Amino acid sequence: NAGVTQTPKFRVLKTGQSMTLLCAQDMNHEYMYWYRQDPGMGLRLIHYSVGEGTTAKGEVPDGYNVSRLKKQNFLLGLESAAPSQTSVYFCASKPDGSSYEQYFGPGTRLTVT
Amino acid sequence: SQELEQSPQSLIVQEGKNLTINCTSSKTLYGLYWYKQKYGEGLIFLMMLQKGGEEKSHEKITAKLDEKKQQSSLHITASQPSHAGIYLCGADMDSSYKLIFGSGTRLLVRP
Repeated sequence: NAGVTQTPKFRVLKTGQSMTLLCAQDMNHEYMYWYRQDPGMGLRLIHYSVGEGTTAKGEVPDGYNVSRLKKQNFLLGLESAAPSQTSVYFCASKPDGSSYEQYFGPGTRLTVT
Repeated sequence: SQELEQSPQSLIVQEGKNLTINCTSSKTLYGLYWYKQKYGEGLIFLMMLQKGGEEKSHEKITAKLDEKKQQSSLHITASQPSHAGIYLCGADMDSSYKLIFGSGTRLLVRP
């Protein structure tokens, strides 16, 4: 099993450009999450999904959209990137609501200039 | 998150020394999670505590949750360079699907 993978690993965007980050898991997990990590801030939840076709807002959802069309994939979109979205983005998944361990991907480092 | 305070923010210790990292919440926690992050990588799950007074150990790392379920400590005995990284506590505040994370503690262990 590859576990949780994220694409791309690095990306540089100009202000106003759009992009999509892909998270894929091969563990048949129901729950998936997108976090951002900034210096001194820990991880903050952007959006999450409790199953295929469902999404919900986390702590910091503004400026991001998500989709979970397939159970194994969770996409994070930036429609019009801003310098404040420069961050490291982590995807995580877990089997279901009764399980507690979240499995994390390696992260995507995004810079918006 | 300010709901979850971690201390210290950073820690440098000599190899072989013991150390403690604290995580404090203003609210009673449904669950407290400890993760480790190696620099530039994703998070690795260490332990999860749910019951007041609970203590768990894995190799040389011990985590405790106080009776009120508002404070947790992570203790490393006889630290090694392999223990270096960022330790994050995460908390389930309302028995939901979401975790709130502390800001992390950067640990450096000098050989």
